[in-house]
Amino acid sequence: AQTVTQSQPEMSVQEAETVTLSCTYDTSENNYYLFWYKQPPSRQMILVIRQEAYKQQNATENRFSVNFQKAAKSFSLKISDSQLGDTAMYFCAFMRGFGNEKLTFGTGTRLTIIP
Amino acid sequence: DVKVTQSSRYLVKRTGEKVFLECVQDMDHENMFWYRQDPGLGLRLIYFSYDVKMKEKGDIPEGYSVSREKKERFSLILESASTNQTSMYLCASSPRGTGLGNTIYFGEGSWLTVV
Repeated sequence: AQTVTQSQPEMSVQEAETVTLSCTYDTSENNYYLFWYKQPPSRQMILVIRQEAYKQQNATENRFSVNFQKAAKSFSLKISDSQLGDTAMYFCAFMRGFGNEKLTFGTGTRLTIIP
Repeated sequence: DVKVTQSSRYLVKRTGEKVFLECVQDMDHENMFWYRQDPGLGLRLIYFSYDVKMKEKGDIPEGYSVSREKKERFSLILESASTNQTSMYLCASSPRGTGLGNTIYFGEGSWLTVV
């Protein structure tokens, strides 16, 4: 079974600063996908970024980027130039490959951006 | 835009009542999921369905059942609600065979309180 660990229950950072959220996972699979989801106070879960395990290049989406270390089973999210709208719960999630679309989530990190 | 609609945002039920949580998606997705979200525990998969009338247990199916009579609708049933089922329930859907998390869509969630 897969497990996903987020060791930072809460974080806060000043607006415009950079923040990194940590995530580690455990799996025996070689083909899988990793995701960061954002859940703002409105509760609608939104995909932030995804990474295919077979790709060595780290994924980037505008101000969001990941540091994917496959050997260490680590998948951290970096948010640059943080904005007030980034305030949310952030969940790291794992999905096995081969068309199995079930997601296994971590426990989440509550991020607060301070004006 | 894809829409996953959970008919009830907030419910209060009494212990022992039978509870139905309804979820409807409008994109002809094969896969549908029910997750439960609790503070400090993240999201945990209750049940999922890969097709009409098909269902599989997730990680925490005890005390729950599901029904999928039509492709667009996936219902979560609490046969006899208990206070430890007080939680946020999230429905999600995705097309089959993509293996990519950016095609998993979440509803806004249903807050259930059992008193």
